[in-house]
Amino acid sequence: DPKIIQKPKYLVAVTGSEKILICEQYLGHNAMYWYRQSAKKPLEFMFSYSYQKLMDNQTASSRFQPQSSKKNHLDLQITALKPDDSATYFCASSQESLQDTQYFGPGTRLLVL
Amino acid sequence: GDSVTQTEGPVTVSESESLIINCTYSATSIAYPNLFWYVRYPGEGLQLLLKVITAGQKGSSRGFEATYNKETTSFHLQKASVQESDSAVYYCALANSAGNKLTFGIGTRVLVRP
Repeated sequence: DPKIIQKPKYLVAVTGSEKILICEQYLGHNAMYWYRQSAKKPLEFMFSYSYQKLMDNQTASSRFQPQSSKKNHLDLQITALKPDDSATYFCASSQESLQDTQYFGPGTRLLVL
Repeated sequence: GDSVTQTEGPVTVSESESLIINCTYSATSIAYPNLFWYVRYPGEGLQLLLKVITAGQKGSSRGFEATYNKETTSFHLQKASVQESDSAVYYCALANSAGNKLTFGIGTRVLVRP
């Protein structure tokens, strides 16, 4: 059974629209993360949360807003979508936020037209 | 900032041949970062392949090995005899001083021919 669920698997959006990427983890972890991988680039760290609180934000744009309604959820809301936002977005989690191994979900592939 | 450089793919090898994927790192946030290899099989998410937290130590998993070399700031991944099931994308990564942020290399796609 998948331990980290990301929904949807694929997503096509039009420029200017808003989308929410869903992430749920069933590992009992207290820390969650978002990473992004654009074409021909490495995975880039975006956010880290610990006990539902924002710990680190490396995303310059306020168009990206994580939302944690439950301890095992960390959704990512993206507003005013741009073609440059096209990427695969990976959610990850770890037991705690410090020096713990991170486990990744399968990713959501977003295409903005 | 921290950075990771790894072999550009795709790398194509035949079954039972050896494989090496080079990885070098530059860490400004921490002198001796934790180092990782992750693997992504087709249709799946990233999985931790191995992790080494002590300079000079070797990690191993599923026949793969990587040694943490602080002198050359390298963490090359090797396997003596690959199988078709090893076809995947391999990512080298390091953790920052707080351990809450991973910096990844670009990933190396490996294709193993039967």
